[in-house]
Amino acid sequence: GAVVSQHPSRVICKSGTSVKIECRSLDFQATTMFWYRQFPKKSLMLMATSNEGSKATYEQGVEKDKFLINHASLTLSTLTVTSAHPEDSSFYICSARPRARLAGAGLSYNEQFFGPGTRLTVL
Amino acid sequence: GNSVTQMEGPVTLSEEAFLTINCTYTATGYPSLFWYVQYPGEGLQLLLKATKADDKGSNKGFEATYRKETTSFHLEKGSVQVSDSAVYFCALSNPVGFGNEKLTFGTGTRLTIIP
Repeated sequence: GAVVSQHPSRVICKSGTSVKIECRSLDFQATTMFWYRQFPKKSLMLMATSNEGSKATYEQGVEKDKFLINHASLTLSTLTVTSAHPEDSSFYICSARPRARLAGAGLSYNEQFFGPGTRLTVL
Repeated sequence: GNSVTQMEGPVTLSEEAFLTINCTYTATGYPSLFWYVQYPGEGLQLLLKATKADDKGSNKGFEATYRKETTSFHLEKGSVQVSDSAVYFCALSNPVGFGNEKLTFGTGTRLTIIP
């Protein structure tokens, strides 16, 4: 259990276009999802925290109008990179935290379960 | 703010060698500490964790002890296998109950085990 998927796994787009990345919790419900960005040889940097049914909370320095996050259901969050530029090329990773009441099902409500990541290349 | 400093790789060892990957942290209060592992083509998986000083987390032969006096959480394994080849991330978060337990990661250490 506790599988998180991301789609697509890789995407190449032209500068100026928008790209949507999906993050799904496949076998549990997640009230909170997190979006990270990973640069080569760098650590994962938290971009935003997404709570189902409410606006995302963005980290300092992250442009919320450029990185649109929607968490419309308990199993799906999306990250849209708008008007992408080459400097947006990166590895984007999401994670999901189960609802507290699922702790009895063997899942820790404090633990984040990570997706496999999406490689975005902007030409 | 919180930060994690992790031993830079890559690290290459022979099978059955002893492994240590150093991790030190800076945080206010008493954070929880984690080691995550990322196998090729997969997402990050929690390897082990410790939530208070002197706790030892262990899993799959790996161990790490929460040392508050040295602000460290070094990862060790007595005898590595080829299947341990992966990228290892040290991380910390605010304690449970403080709300919004965001993870702060180290840079990751790529480990390669050769037969």
